[in-house]
Amino acid sequence: KAGVTQTPRYLIKTRGQQVTLSCSPISGHRSVSWYQQTPGQGLQFLFEYFSETQRNKGNFPGRFSGRQFSNSRSEMNVSTLELGDSALYLCASSLGTGGWDEQFFGPGTRLTVL
Amino acid sequence: AQSVTQPDIHITVSEGASLELRCNYSYGATPYLFWYVQSPGQGLQLLLKYFSGDTLVQGIKGFEAEFKRSQSSFNLRKPSVHWSDAAEYFCAVATVGYYGGATNKLIFGTGTLLAVQP
Repeated sequence: KAGVTQTPRYLIKTRGQQVTLSCSPISGHRSVSWYQQTPGQGLQFLFEYFSETQRNKGNFPGRFSGRQFSNSRSEMNVSTLELGDSALYLCASSLGTGGWDEQFFGPGTRLTVL
Repeated sequence: AQSVTQPDIHITVSEGASLELRCNYSYGATPYLFWYVQSPGQGLQLLLKYFSGDTLVQGIKGFEAEFKRSQSSFNLRKPSVHWSDAAEYFCAVATVGYYGGATNKLIFGTGTLLAVQP
């Protein structure tokens, strides 16, 4: 069974630009969560999507948004990039049975903002 | 608010030695606790979890953790460390949903970087 796939793996953008990251979950998984990992703030939850609906949300500004498609693939978008958005963005998928399910993490997308 | 503290930023142990990584949580009720490992260039992998029941939890790769409510701790242990265990380890707690169950929204500690000496 293929694992969680994230594309692209590396990305370089400049301040003020916007970026879209993609996550393909494990086949059969319906929940996708996103996390931001930085040296200063550590791992922080961004949001979770289940059945194309946002189910949980972290404490990030509105510049961070996401969506999920009918095939459970998810994208997250960051608009008006700031230097502090440089991070490893991790996606995790799970079955989505209603509460907690074991989450399987992808390798991440490394975003560098110049 | 729930929080997780990992007091040790970096730990070095010799191969074959025992290991204990510390984790303290802040939550009034019984927490839903996890340990994850992250190897360089890879995502996180779940080692073990504690929801209820036996306070000594067995996980993958020979790891175990003990939940101690009186100390608000959930320390990770391994009796004999292998060079391949070198990685970063994260303790996490799941937020609680409307009906009291765990959600997929995890709060992570800052991590402990484990180095293994030959």
